[in-house]
Amino acid sequence: SQTIHQWPATLVQPVGSPLSLECTVEGTSNPNLYWYRQAAGRGLQLLFYSVGIGQISSEVPQNLSASRPQDRQFILSSKKLLLSDSGFYLCAWSALARGYTFGSGTRLTVV
Amino acid sequence: AQTVTQSQPEMSVQEAETVTLSCTYDTSENNYYLFWYKQPPSRQMILVIRQEAYKQQNATENRFSVNFQKAAKSFSLKISDSQLGDTAMYFCAFMPGSNDMRFGAGTRLTVKP
Repeated sequence: SQTIHQWPATLVQPVGSPLSLECTVEGTSNPNLYWYRQAAGRGLQLLFYSVGIGQISSEVPQNLSASRPQDRQFILSSKKLLLSDSGFYLCAWSALARGYTFGSGTRLTVV
Repeated sequence: AQTVTQSQPEMSVQEAETVTLSCTYDTSENNYYLFWYKQPPSRQMILVIRQEAYKQQNATENRFSVNFQKAAKSFSLKISDSQLGDTAMYFCAFMPGSNDMRFGAGTRLTVKP
């Protein structure tokens, strides 16, 4: 069966520090992968999506970047975090007609 | 542009009663998929129910059912016999053939004892 792992679950980072959030998928190959951000009590904002290794599309220009070094690995990064980067980050993979399967999320607080 | 609108930011229902959450979408495509996701306080996104646009029959999953009106581009979620564990944010989502899902802004549902 397909599973998606996302870590860490919680992260507190100082302003100006780097960021690396990781997401991996098991049980499928060549998945479409997505990074979303969700502010408290708000909807989901698509940040990046990837249809294959090294292929990254950005929906919103900002202080973040994404990479896909392996087929089932998707990484969200920042060189220098801003206070506005705080939020809840969700990784997802697409199962076509079955919809998206989401990771458990990372709660990022920038202090 | 393909958009998803959830016009009810917040709703509440008494335990054991029925509640309906509204969703409308805008698209020129004929083939697509519609979903309802639940996000409880844990913030894990959980798929509740899905509907293929080419199917006229409304999808049902236990206490959850949808009213899919393709011509009206409406996709409402009905929760019967509401339970305390149904308290959550509910997101309506639309996925066209391009495989990029679009989400509504969400409806916060509170089930009261």
